[in-house]
Amino acid sequence: NAGVTQTPKFQVLKTGQSMTLQCAQDMNHNSMYWYRQDPGMGLRLIYYSASEGTTDKGEVPNGYNVSRLNKREFSLRLESAAPSQTSVYFCASSGDSPTYGYTFGSGTRLTVV
Amino acid sequence: RKEVEQDPGPFNVPEGATVAFNCTYSNSASQSFFWYRQDCRKEPKLLMSVYSSGNEDGRFTAQLNRASQYISLLIRDSKLSDSATYLCVANTGGFKTIFGAGTRLFVKA
Repeated sequence: NAGVTQTPKFQVLKTGQSMTLQCAQDMNHNSMYWYRQDPGMGLRLIYYSASEGTTDKGEVPNGYNVSRLNKREFSLRLESAAPSQTSVYFCASSGDSPTYGYTFGSGTRLTVV
Repeated sequence: RKEVEQDPGPFNVPEGATVAFNCTYSNSASQSFFWYRQDCRKEPKLLMSVYSSGNEDGRFTAQLNRASQYISLLIRDSKLSDSATYLCVANTGGFKTIFGAGTRLFVKA
């Protein structure tokens, strides 16, 4: 009963470095999402994947790329990290749409210096 | 103007108190509404959906007023374990889901 598993939990990057955040779900959900959460702001959608083989931009996609590797896995890549990308990142999954509610992973705290 | 607005609080209440949070949304096309709970440095967890007729889950009651475009959450008989941030969420259909910034609640003994 792992639900949604994210790795790593913490990461410090230097400006310009790249990294990939990994996410996997074991609930057989079709839809997966990447959000970022910043102080004083609600969660903002970076990218989502409505189903295996599809990805779409959310509200704040600039500086990020994603890959839906299979039904279980959805990764987020920062090609050239910037201090503005310092945030807490959450992966989530849902049934066919968000109207079923999300299950979130435990988050990745990323600091870019 | 934020699409989903919440009073950030914090709300400080004693154990046993009743506390209510309100949330307003600006997009009249919003169709589905939720309350999530987020503990400090943890992920959000779905607390309850919000239905037009209002719905209750134990000590928690959610109400939706479409005409005024606001959602409320009432917590009765507050427990120490209710201390958390409560996120109001509106979905306009498809994959456009907007999260409020949250209302912080502290329940004190």
